Amino acid sequence: AQSVTQLGSHVSVSEGALVLLRCNYSSSVPPYLFWYVQYPNQGLQLLLKYTTGATLVKGINGFEAEFKKSETSFHLTKPSAHMSDAAEYFCAVSDAGGYQKVTFGIGTKLQVIP
Amino acid sequence: DTGVSQNPRHKITKRGQNVTFRCDPISEHNRLYWYRQTLGQGPEFLTYFQNEAQLEKSRLLSDRFSAERPKGSFSTLEIQRTEQGDSAMYLCASIDASLSGGAGNTQYFGPGTRLTVL
Repeated sequence: AQSVTQLGSHVSVSEGALVLLRCNYSSSVPPYLFWYVQYPNQGLQLLLKYTTGATLVKGINGFEAEFKKSETSFHLTKPSAHMSDAAEYFCAVSDAGGYQKVTFGIGTKLQVIP
Repeated sequence: DTGVSQNPRHKITKRGQNVTFRCDPISEHNRLYWYRQTLGQGPEFLTYFQNEAQLEKSRLLSDRFSAERPKGSFSTLEIQRTEQGDSAMYLCASIDASLSGGAGNTQYFGPGTRLTVL
């Protein structure tokens, strides 16, 4: 069984400040890890993903995440927040084989303060 | 390639009525997934298809729910005798599972259908 824990359902940062959204996962097999972003009344857009190889993954809009197996973490960061980053962010895990069902966390709503 | 599309985008219905949603995946994507997202929660897996075969259904999918993908292209999700607890965003996603590695693991989501049951 897989699960994802997102620490902090709401995070507020000032414009220009560091964004850090935390995600810990549990998986009995090597995981594939994802971050998705959702804007109000829209579907989910993939920000970045880790499958194999390099543990530091760069995504769109200046976001990146680092897979740390020893800490079972996949935290999302961005050096400088922009107003347009305000959205809800979901961390997700799927198994590397099988049918690739994705299990999502409950989401973290990011507020950017001008 | 126009992405995953879903129709309708919004549906308001009265309790007890039947509703049907449609999902058109990215062309040539052989796997199609349905998720449900309630307020303040992440999406939860409902069911998925490999081509036209429905390979798994979540326990969340009660007998009132049925999904089809008759020709291995678009899919429909029907809810019979809707209840207020069915109010949610219903999301569809597709992937090309024939691709190896990470490319075959990226689910592309549609904009969702928001259902409100009065």
